[in-house]
Amino acid sequence: SQQGEEDPQALSIQEGENATMNCSYKTSINNLQWYRQNSGRGLVHLILIRSNEREKHSGRLRVTLDTSKKSSSLLITASRAADTASYFCATVTQGGSEKLVFGKGTKLTVNP
Amino acid sequence: NAGVTQTPKFQVLKTGQSMTLQCAQDMNHEYMSWYRQDPGMGLRLIHYSVGAGITDQGEVPNGYNVSRSTTEDFPLRLLSAAPSQTSVYFCASSSMTGSYTFGSGTRLTVV
Repeated sequence: SQQGEEDPQALSIQEGENATMNCSYKTSINNLQWYRQNSGRGLVHLILIRSNEREKHSGRLRVTLDTSKKSSSLLITASRAADTASYFCATVTQGGSEKLVFGKGTKLTVNP
Repeated sequence: NAGVTQTPKFQVLKTGQSMTLQCAQDMNHEYMSWYRQDPGMGLRLIHYSVGAGITDQGEVPNGYNVSRSTTEDFPLRLLSAAPSQTSVYFCASSSMTGSYTFGSGTRLTVV
């Protein structure tokens, strides 16, 4: 079964607004990763956050991790039309075999 | 560096045919994985490998075989194609506990 569950499934915002996507997972993790997929393309890695970290930033991206709630959030600030894509969280289970398991994703549409 | 290279990009098979999806990486990554992506299902793990000679099953392994004879290559074999295997297939590789690099995908249609 899939480990991560993103929320919402779809999000539509205006350019310049912030977009927040959430991810919940089931088992203890080694790390959690966020990926972006433009329509019909391969996945691109955005951020990796380890289980002992609580927050990471990369440009306009901010990821938080709450291991007590088994949840993570991805915030995209000052969104642009080019941010339109599907966003996936994925986890590497602690003590496991390093396999990366994905959720079903959030489809983000940024309207110009 | 080419990263992760998948071939072919598109393939149409008839039910019952077999084929091999190729995946090669030039980053000396230990970990390699195969995923399939279906609408509304996200990416589901088919098989993965933590090094040459070592493979294991993921969430949806039935109907697929893999082998890892070298660090660079991780081919995925469809033994007897079925319409349910119509999907987009992605290969990915990673160094230990690092981020994954994905190939551009193979769009497979089984008729």
